[in-house]
Amino acid sequence: DAKTTQPPSMDCAEGRAANLPCNHSTISGNEYVYWYRQIHSQGPQYIIHGLKNNETNEMASLIITEDRKSSTLILPHATLRDTAVYYCIVRDNQAGTALIFGKGTTLSVSS
Amino acid sequence: GAVVSQHPSRVICKSGTSVKIECRSLDFQATTMFWYRQFPKQSLMLMATSNEGSKATYEQGVEKDKFLINHASLTLSTLTVTSAHPEDSSFYICSALRGRGAYEQYFGPGTRLTVT
Repeated sequence: DAKTTQPPSMDCAEGRAANLPCNHSTISGNEYVYWYRQIHSQGPQYIIHGLKNNETNEMASLIITEDRKSSTLILPHATLRDTAVYYCIVRDNQAGTALIFGKGTTLSVSS
Repeated sequence: GAVVSQHPSRVICKSGTSVKIECRSLDFQATTMFWYRQFPKQSLMLMATSNEGSKATYEQGVEKDKFLINHASLTLSTLTVTSAHPEDSSFYICSALRGRGAYEQYFGPGTRLTVT
């Protein structure tokens, strides 16, 4: 799987949008971009994923650049409960392959 | 959404004893399950891939005789840490793929193992 690069930490004020960047310059054509988050001492939680088009769900939006070498996860109105480690992962959706986690970005939301 | 449970949520055991952790997919069948380990302030590390009815595939550096994995049914996988030592203390997380040929991966809440 291609590797990703994320900033180790980010801060965000409550109520503001949190924009988390991810570089995946070696992504291949059949690899998807996944975002998960992990709140302290819990299992990872799925947020969103996409291939080339921008995606939006009830939790977040995913913006993927046209060349697919980077993406941004947007939490439109961050709350204190969004404080977590956010992982950007690229993976070929070949059946049976596990998600491989990098170091992620620790997002701290403060009031 | 799909639910994956783990039991126990936390366990403390003495050095030299064995501990079994269960991972269940509650509302779907999982032919493939994964086991991860996470040390404090580190990311999740994949330990092994478990396929129902067959032997698990271990990642490089993970001792298969120490971490016994059994995936006897489509809804249950177990991880047994044999002869546990303090360095095995960690957060163990299981994950399941829903259905055959699936890529949707769901995670359990994790099990905190402390070996004294």
